[in-house]
Amino acid sequence: QQQVKQSPQSLIVQKGGISIINCAYENTAFDYFPWYQQFPGKGPALLIAIRPDVSEKKEGRFTISFNKSAKQFSLHIMDSQPGDSATYFCAARGASGTYKYIFGTGTRLKVLA
Amino acid sequence: NAGVTQTPKFRVLKTGQSMTLLCAQDMNHEYMYWYRQDPGMGLRLIHYSVGEGTTAKGEVPDGYNVSRLKKQNFLLGLESAAPSQTSVYFCASSYEGAETQYFGPGTRLLVL
Repeated sequence: QQQVKQSPQSLIVQKGGISIINCAYENTAFDYFPWYQQFPGKGPALLIAIRPDVSEKKEGRFTISFNKSAKQFSLHIMDSQPGDSATYFCAARGASGTYKYIFGTGTRLKVLA
Repeated sequence: NAGVTQTPKFRVLKTGQSMTLLCAQDMNHEYMYWYRQDPGMGLRLIHYSVGEGTTAKGEVPDGYNVSRLKKQNFLLGLESAAPSQTSVYFCASSYEGAETQYFGPGTRLLVL
């Protein structure tokens, strides 16, 4: 049972454009929402994350927008660069104290030079 | 400081064979996790551990067993491999309650 739905599955953006990836969750008990970036042949690495009491978080060119009432959150990559080409996963952490994560299915981003 | 390491990097098994994947971390993390990654499925939690000597089931535990005899190591075992277990396996670790999971480089397993 997939509790975190991620879209789109793939995304092609021109260099300098904005990349937007969306996630929706069902469980209101989630307490932490990270985004992970994964390059081919590597393990995922934490990119940026947000807590549900904040509506937006920005780190450099990366921004998370969070809509608690709609149970949705999104990753925006401003001024997208070819080096951003990777697979991006959203995730949600359970708040029950076990710190288990549910991951989205991933978005493969390709930024054209 | 090597972070999270996984052994082996790649393995081919025949149906019914057994094997153990080793995950080691040198960051003194309490929590360790095993995930599998399949195309279109994202990362799915197999088993996890919240401390030495403890293990718990994740989303997809069937066909796998784990052990955490030492704090720095987390072993994933396949007793009788099946083609459905062909996947890339990732280990991760974190401090208790921490918000960052540190992932290893992955083990690619092919079951024929």
